[in-house]
Amino acid sequence: AQTIHQWPVAEIKAVGSPLSLGCTIKGKSSPNLYWYWQATGGTLQQLFYSITVGQVESVVQLNLSASRPKDDQFILSTEKLLLSHSGFYLCAWSLADSDYTFGSGTRLLVI
Amino acid sequence: GDSVTQTEGLVTLTKGLPVMLNCTYQTTYSPFLFWYVQHLNEAPKLLLKSSTDNKRTEHQGFYATLHKSSSSFHLQKSSVQLSDSALYFCALSEQGTGSKLSFGKGAKLTVSP
Repeated sequence: AQTIHQWPVAEIKAVGSPLSLGCTIKGKSSPNLYWYWQATGGTLQQLFYSITVGQVESVVQLNLSASRPKDDQFILSTEKLLLSHSGFYLCAWSLADSDYTFGSGTRLLVI
Repeated sequence: GDSVTQTEGLVTLTKGLPVMLNCTYQTTYSPFLFWYVQHLNEAPKLLLKSSTDNKRTEHQGFYATLHKSSSSFHLQKSSVQLSDSALYFCALSEQGTGSKLSFGKGAKLTVSP
């Protein structure tokens, strides 16, 4: 069975500090991977997607970057956090047009 | 570009009443439509999906029919329960590309006793 694991579960970080969020998918080979951001009670905004290792496409620029160092791993990061980065970060995977399955997410509070 | 429109922001209903949440979309590609449900402090979970025109799809008492002629994929349930209280998102994928899943603004459904 496929599993998607996100880490950490939650973070409280200071403005200007760096951030790294991770996502690992097990049980699927070469999935499409996605990062989404959600403000409290808001919609889901796609940030990045990756169809293969080493290739990441940006959908929205929010002073964040993403990388896919391995087939089953997707990393979201920034060197300097802003207050506006607070929210719920969700990793998702899919195979072409199949279901998009979300991880349990990381709650980020920037203070 | 692709877009998804959900017109109801907040919906409050009494248990046992029917509900319909509207979803319309715009795309130049062959559409694949989804409904996701997100309960408080949880990740979104797939509720329904369809890429077949005029075919009703059902799950957990919810149902929807993709109508390409009107670019719609409205979500319905004949009798809501307290446990249906959640955020509901309609989403659109460009069939065959796997590159983007675009979400509507969401509809918050609150069911009261």
